[in-house]
Amino acid sequence: DIVMTQSPDSLAVSLGERATINCKSSQNVFHNSINKNQVAWYQQKPGQPPKLLIYWASTRESGVPDRFSGSGSGTDFTLTISSLQAEDVAVYYCQQYYSTPPGTFGQGTKVEVK
Amino acid sequence: EVQLLESGGGLVQSGGSLRLSCAGSGFIFSNYAMYWVRQAPGKGLEWVSIINPSSGRIYYADSVRGRFTISRDNSKNTLYLQMNNLRAEDTAIYYCAKVRIVESVYDGFDIWGQGTVVVVSS
Repeated sequence: DIVMTQSPDSLAVSLGERATINCKSSQNVFHNSINKNQVAWYQQKPGQPPKLLIYWASTRESGVPDRFSGSGSGTDFTLTISSLQAEDVAVYYCQQYYSTPPGTFGQGTKVEVK
Repeated sequence: EVQLLESGGGLVQSGGSLRLSCAGSGFIFSNYAMYWVRQAPGKGLEWVSIINPSSGRIYYADSVRGRFTISRDNSKNTLYLQMNNLRAEDTAIYYCAKVRIVESVYDGFDIWGQGTVVVVSS
């Protein structure tokens, strides 16, 4: 089974500053036949279901602010919030959908305002 | 509006059963794979079960295999999760989620329900 490991478990960032979350998969999740990394990122605010932010490791979901960006390939991935806003306080999860069965999530990273 | 609405959660004793439902609307339900994902109190996300549009491909997490059964009725735009022999560790919010692209189980989840709470008392 593919294990997704996020770091750090939590971070505190000043408003307007950059927040960076890392996600490492235990196996390569790059799909050669479609030339894409099969990783998604989600945001979950308290009392709400998760919200899809990024898919294919770097494609922003419709309506997601462009301060959110995803990068990486193979086994190492990053979610970056370029300028943290108060409404970005949440827990962020990475997910792989490469394996069969797909769907494994990272343990989550809590982002707070410093 | 595209949405998913779960129901069927509640309080049940250890060893008991519950059947969760998830009604989809605003999209062609029969075209999309669906997931059940759960979140224990204060914990992260765990995928529970997957079903493709035709019900021909079904997967379960090791933690629920043999106890839970996923199914769908495309004529009713509804996803189900039959949960038997429930344990205290099954206590969680249960979300249904829609896969982003048609037919495939291999993609992110673009639509989530609000969740239904299952509490298993020991």
